[in-house]
Amino acid sequence: KQEVTQIPAALSVPEGENLVLNCSFTDSAIYNLQWFRQDPGKGLTSLLLIQSSQREQTSGRLNASLDKSSGRSTLYIAASQPGDSATYLCAVRPYDNYGQNFVFGPGTRLSVLP
Amino acid sequence: EPEVTQTPSHQVTQMGQEVILRCVPISNHLYFYWYRQILGQKVEFLVSFYNNEISEKSEIFDDQFSVERPDGSNFTLKIRSTKLEDSAMYFCASGHGNTIYFGEGSWLTVV
Repeated sequence: KQEVTQIPAALSVPEGENLVLNCSFTDSAIYNLQWFRQDPGKGLTSLLLIQSSQREQTSGRLNASLDKSSGRSTLYIAASQPGDSATYLCAVRPYDNYGQNFVFGPGTRLSVLP
Repeated sequence: EPEVTQTPSHQVTQMGQEVILRCVPISNHLYFYWYRQILGQKVEFLVSFYNNEISEKSEIFDDQFSVERPDGSNFTLKIRSTKLEDSAMYFCASGHGNTIYFGEGSWLTVV
């Protein structure tokens, strides 16, 4: 059964810092991996999607990498801003069911201090 | 930009009552999902729906839960007899291939 973990559980940084969020998954047979952002009491906003054949994806100040064989992904945020404060969720789509559902990690709660 | 919309945003219900949560998926999407998130816990998969039938469901999705797409646009989740432990944020999502798009969620509080 696929399990997804995220480290750290919470992170507080001053504005302007670069930071890395980590995601690990137990079964490397995945269809893709996606990073989401969740603001308190709100829905999930997709940030980056990495297919299993890809190594990384970039969008603006965000860069996500995938090392499928080791079961790891990282989300790099450059020049963090207070508006980046949110919970960041990593989710994988298992390969065995054509990716019908995501398995989510518990999230990393990020606070960027002005 | 198209989005998944959910109603109600928040509902408080008595234990044992039936609840229907409604979702309007993005119009050209073929796959529909319900997830839930109990306060402070992970987002959990409930059910996926494709071609007018359930394609996969989790252990959470027992006989108390049902889904349907009554009119080709709405996608509903029904909980027949709510329990205290059903209190959670319920997310609807729709997709057309690689990725899925989530709605803002419906907070359900069972008292």
